[in-house]
Amino acid sequence: QVQLQESGPGLVKPSQTLSLTCTVSGGSISSGGYYWSWIRQHPGKGLEWIGYIYYSGSTSYNPSLKSRVTISVDTSKNQFSLKLSSVTAADTAVYYCARARLVGATNAGEFDYWGQGTLVTVSS
Amino acid sequence: DIQMTQSPSSLSASVRDRVTITCQASQDISNYLNWYQQKPGKAPKLLIYDASNLETGVPSRFSGSGSGTDFTFTISSLQPEDIATYYCQQYDNLPLTFGQGTRLEIK
Repeated sequence: QVQLQESGPGLVKPSQTLSLTCTVSGGSISSGGYYWSWIRQHPGKGLEWIGYIYYSGSTSYNPSLKSRVTISVDTSKNQFSLKLSSVTAADTAVYYCARARLVGATNAGEFDYWGQGTLVTVSS
Repeated sequence: DIQMTQSPSSLSASVRDRVTITCQASQDISNYLNWYQQKPGKAPKLLIYDASNLETGVPSRFSGSGSGTDFTFTISSLQPEDIATYYCQQYDNLPLTFGQGTRLEIK
């Protein structure tokens, strides 16, 4: 059974960089066939896809966040990470990591496994 | 971006009722549509993928249909444990986008 677990600071100061890591267990990121994703949910709101990474390091980001987002992968630790720079209060949200099935050659399909989510608050 | 519009935004129904939620895409997305259930304080859970395929382990009272721009999610007989918010999500084009959610309550 695949499990994902987010970790990182729950409080980040404005203008600083938010950094989160997702540790995957029960399956290897290196085995391929999946995109490893970050999704966030503002308090009481809907879901926003941030971006994803393939085990090879290939990434795609939401254009609305692209200038501030970096997603990286460490296959030796079976982890992938999110960095979001220059944060403001508008970045306060629950951040989820999730696995998306690879569809066809390059598309991401459904998110079949999710972490429990971690609340990150941006405040001084 | 492809906009996903769910209707209604909230819904109140009785146990054993048939419940239907619709999701409309702003452009043709074929059958590249998924449905999720999210209970308070929990991560979303995949229920339906590729518009109509039931995820393993999900009760058969949940179903999905549609293609192109118009999709339907149905609970054939509402159970108390189905109280949650439901989201549709398209994966035809990047960025991946979700509907705004439908909150389902028991009457």
